Parts: sequence; structure tokens; C-alpha cells
Amino acid sequence: DAGVIQSPRHEVTEMGQEVTLRCKPISGHDYLFWYRQTMMRGLELLIYFNNNVPIDDSGMPEDRFSAKMPNASFSTLKIQPSEPRDSAVYFCASSSSWSQQEEQETQYFGPGTRLLVL
Amino acid sequence: SQQGEEDPQALSIQEGENATMNCSYKTSINNLQWYRQNSGRGLVHLILIRSNEREKHSGRLRVTLDTSKKSSSLLITASRAADTASYFCATDYGGATNKLIFGTGTLLAVQP
Repeated sequence: DAGVIQSPRHEVTEMGQEVTLRCKPISGHDYLFWYRQTMMRGLELLIYFNNNVPIDDSGMPEDRFSAKMPNASFSTLKIQPSEPRDSAVYFCASSSSWSQQEEQETQYFGPGTRLLVL
Repeated sequence: SQQGEEDPQALSIQEGENATMNCSYKTSINNLQWYRQNSGRGLVHLILIRSNEREKHSGRLRVTLDTSKKSSSLLITASRAADTASYFCATDYGGATNKLIFGTGTLLAVQP
């Protein structure tokens, strides 16, 4: 398996523009997580899905952020409009509730999207 | 915040020495996991210890868990330059989810 795939790997945009980050989880995984990592705040959970349904979006910072998972193999995180304080590395991770026990509780991370909003 | 705290924030050692990192958390957990993050990369799972376990080994890694003190430690023995990375603890508070809360991380530098 190719692991969790994220695109783009780097994104530079101007304040006010819409940004869309994409994630393809590991095939067969039923949980998908979106995280944001900054020096100041560390690794923050933004939202997670189970079987394509959003379960907890309490970490989404503002209405400017939205996430969707239209099917089991694709998710997007959208920021509209973007602001300089959104600059961070955004990670997607997936896990499976069907694996053998220790693997079941393990999250597999993508390489991240490094976002810079000017 | 439920976020775990790790100490030290940064650690620099010589190759061959042992490295110990500590993690404290706030409420009862189902399990605690350790992840490694190399610069510019995603996190990689290292080891998981359950709330009813006190110690676990995996290769050069040793993890301990003290639920009475709500703390865990990660020991890397005979460190190598390739161990240079940030290390995070992550707590699973149970329930019907796979949700984890990550700590603040320890940046380990192993000097060759």
C-alpha cells in the first residue's frame, strides 16, 4: 500500500484565497483525521471521520474551515478565505477499527501539506 | 486542554548514549502511544502500551507507564544519529473512537 497520500505537498497562497487540501487514506481504513501542526500550538486535531461521517469537528478553528469526505478514499479540507495565521503543516491520518488490536489503535500519517498564506 | 506534556522539550546526546523522554497526561487513559517525526515528515507510530501494562519493549525502545502518576517514559538505548527526530506521546482516552491527543513533543538530537 502507498500509505496515506496528501496533495499538494506545498501550497503558497495570498490572504483571502481559497485553499483546498486533499487526502487519500489507506485503503480499508474507516477512520480519517485532519491535524494542524504549528510551532506555537503543536499538533492539533481539527476533525475526524468514521465511515465518511464527521464525528467530531470541535477542533475546527473557525467557519472558514470545512472538511468533507464524499467517499472512503478521499477527503478535503478547505479554508475560505485563507489568512496568514492559517500558515501551518496540515496532516491527514487514517486508522482501521478492523485491524488486529494494536494496529487498530495506530494512526498512519501522510507526509503533510505545508501551507504558507502571505 | 487534555494535551499531554513532554519533557524535556529538547535533548542533545552523543551517539551510543541512552535517551529518556517523559510524558504526563491528565485523565484516565485506555492506552498511550509514542510516535516519531523526522524533520519535514509525518508522524510514525513506534509503540503502544495499554493502561494495564507497566513496561513494554520493542528493539532499542523501552516504554514504561505509571497510571498512578499519569506519566510515561520512552527510553531509546544505544542511540544512533538516525534517531534524531521529534518524539510525541499520544493518549487514547477510550470510547468508541480511535481519537488520540498528542503531547507537545521532545526534540532529540543525536550527535555522531
